[in-house]
Amino acid sequence: QVHLVQSGAEVKKPGSSVKVSCKASGGTFRTYTFSWVRQAPGQGLEWMGRIIPIIDTAYYAQKFLGRVTITADESTSTVYMELSSLTSEDTAVYFCAIDNWGFDYWGQGTLVTVSS
Amino acid sequence: DIQMTQSPSSLSASVGDRITITCRASLDITKDLAWYQQKPGKVPSLLIYGASTLHSGVPSRFSGSGSGTDFTLTISSLQPEDVATYYCQKYHSAPRTFGQGTKVEIK
Repeated sequence: QVHLVQSGAEVKKPGSSVKVSCKASGGTFRTYTFSWVRQAPGQGLEWMGRIIPIIDTAYYAQKFLGRVTITADESTSTVYMELSSLTSEDTAVYFCAIDNWGFDYWGQGTLVTVSS
Repeated sequence: DIQMTQSPSSLSASVGDRITITCRASLDITKDLAWYQQKPGKVPSLLIYGASTLHSGVPSRFSGSGSGTDFTLTISSLQPEDVATYYCQKYHSAPRTFGQGTKVEIK
């Protein structure tokens, strides 16, 4: 049983960056693919990108190209999502998930609030 | 990019009713389609993958069907605990696009 634990809530200023972590336990980290999904208040789910740690390769949604970076640290079984040039429209809950036949395991979510 | 369109955007039904949610892909995605349930304030959970395979632990009143561009999620007998928003998603090719969601309420 895989368990994903994300870092805590963040409050950021417009124009800054945020880095959210997602630590995996209970499985074999390098065999997984991880995706990041966000959900703005009252809105639907939006896929941001994914990483395949075994080949250290990330793929990003067109909307976030140039602004998002997804990385993985196999030594700590942790994946990271960094989003830059934040605006109020980036206020959302950010989720990591195991990307398999659908997203079968999810982190608990991290609220990122962008406010001046 | 392939677009995923769900309908209806919301529905209200009585306990015990059979309900169906539709998801349409703008291009053929074979059976690479998942359904999720998200209860208010909770993390989404996987219900169905491969268009019709129930994820472990999902009650048998949930079922999925379809292939290509047209898919359905059916709840055979709606229960109070099924109040949630349901999302379809294409997977196995980028981007992993979600539908806009269908909010299910009890009448």
